[in-house]
Amino acid sequence: GQQVMQIPQYQHVQEGEDFTTYCNSSTTLSNIQWYKQRPGGHPVFLIQLVKSGEVKKQKRLTFQFGEAKKNSSLHITATQTTDVGTYFCAGRYNFNKFYFGSGTKLNVKP
Amino acid sequence: EAQVTQNPRYLITVTGKKLTVTCSQNMNHEYMSWYRQDPGLGLRQIYYSMNVEVTDKGDVPEGYKVSRKEKRNFPLILESPSPNQTSLYFCASSRDRNTGELFFGEGSRLTVL
Repeated sequence: GQQVMQIPQYQHVQEGEDFTTYCNSSTTLSNIQWYKQRPGGHPVFLIQLVKSGEVKKQKRLTFQFGEAKKNSSLHITATQTTDVGTYFCAGRYNFNKFYFGSGTKLNVKP
Repeated sequence: EAQVTQNPRYLITVTGKKLTVTCSQNMNHEYMSWYRQDPGLGLRQIYYSMNVEVTDKGDVPEGYKVSRKEKRNFPLILESPSPNQTSLYFCASSRDRNTGELFFGEGSRLTVL
């Protein structure tokens, strides 16, 4: 079946360091979304990317969608302790089903 | 306040005892879906519904049933729970199937003994 692979599974950084998580699909995606889940919480929507090569920024967060619409990345510049949580991508091949990556758990040491 | 409400939040049950996890949204959303979250596997879609009386299987529907008799409610039914259904369950809704953002409930942690 369809699958979205996400790496790394865990990332431990010192506060102030950068962080990147990557998602990859073997087939072309219609769009991709990113979510953040704080420890003990529920996933919260961050952004949706639709167009080939799209780049969007939210303050220290930069989201990219690959030219072939098969991969995506989330980059956080100068991490803060408030960035702690698990980041998920969710790829869509049609508009009905969501395929979530396994998530990247980010820990930030102060 | 716009929200997705799930109940119960925590449940411990035994194998074979039918249970229902309720989900209700107050945003008049057309699209609703259920997910289970297991360590290392992310969120996997169980069932989804594009509107009232329209439901379809997600990636892992075995052992689950759903219904969508009203727009606001989308209960998840486990007719005969088994230990491999021990998981954290999330309900989510979206304005329609084309609109991106999924709004998630707080989650229901289910343990089947």
